[in-house]
Amino acid sequence: GAVVSQHPSWVICKSGTSVKIECRSLDFQATTMFWYRQFPKQSLMLMATSNEGSKATYEQGVEKDKFLINHASLTLSTLTVTSAHPEDSSFYICSAQILAGLTDTQYFGPGTRLTVL
Amino acid sequence: SQQGEEDPQALSIQEGENATMNCSYKTSINNLQWYRQNSGRGLVHLILIRSNEREKHSGRLRVTLDTSKKSSSLLITASRAADTASYFCATAASGRAGGTSYGKLTFGQGTILTVHP
Repeated sequence: GAVVSQHPSWVICKSGTSVKIECRSLDFQATTMFWYRQFPKQSLMLMATSNEGSKATYEQGVEKDKFLINHASLTLSTLTVTSAHPEDSSFYICSAQILAGLTDTQYFGPGTRLTVL
Repeated sequence: SQQGEEDPQALSIQEGENATMNCSYKTSINNLQWYRQNSGRGLVHLILIRSNEREKHSGRLRVTLDTSKKSSSLLITASRAADTASYFCATAASGRAGGTSYGKLTFGQGTILTVHP
């Protein structure tokens, strides 16, 4: 149980285009989802916290207008990288938390590798 | 400053040997978690230790937590080639459930473990 999927697993796009990444909790409802970014050989950096039905909370230094997050249901959160540039190329990972407050465990998706040409 | 700093950055051992990785953090925590990441893949949750616990075991894994020193260690006994991966500690800040900081994880820089057959 507690499986999180991401789609797509990898994407290559041209500079200036927008890319949408989906994060789904497959067998549980997630009130909170988190989006992380990981550059090669580096650790995960939290980008934003997404709560179902409310606006996402962005970490300092993360542009909310560039990284649009929508958490429309208890099983789906999306991250849209708008007007992508080569420096946005990274590994994007989401995680989902089951009913925050009842458990501390986050379940991570397999990640999406974004390459912007 | 970086929460969750780990050492060593890289560890290379022979199959059958034990591997010890350390993690230090700076602020008060609710719990500390260890994750494994195979190259280019998502994270696998290994073990969670709460701030009021001192030691926890799971199979070949042993985690200790010293809140007075703000440090934790992960011991993998009788290592196998399949244990080759990056290992990250992550701290969850203390705070009330539903609070803005609840559930947020701060990751350390990670230890790259290579187990030679």
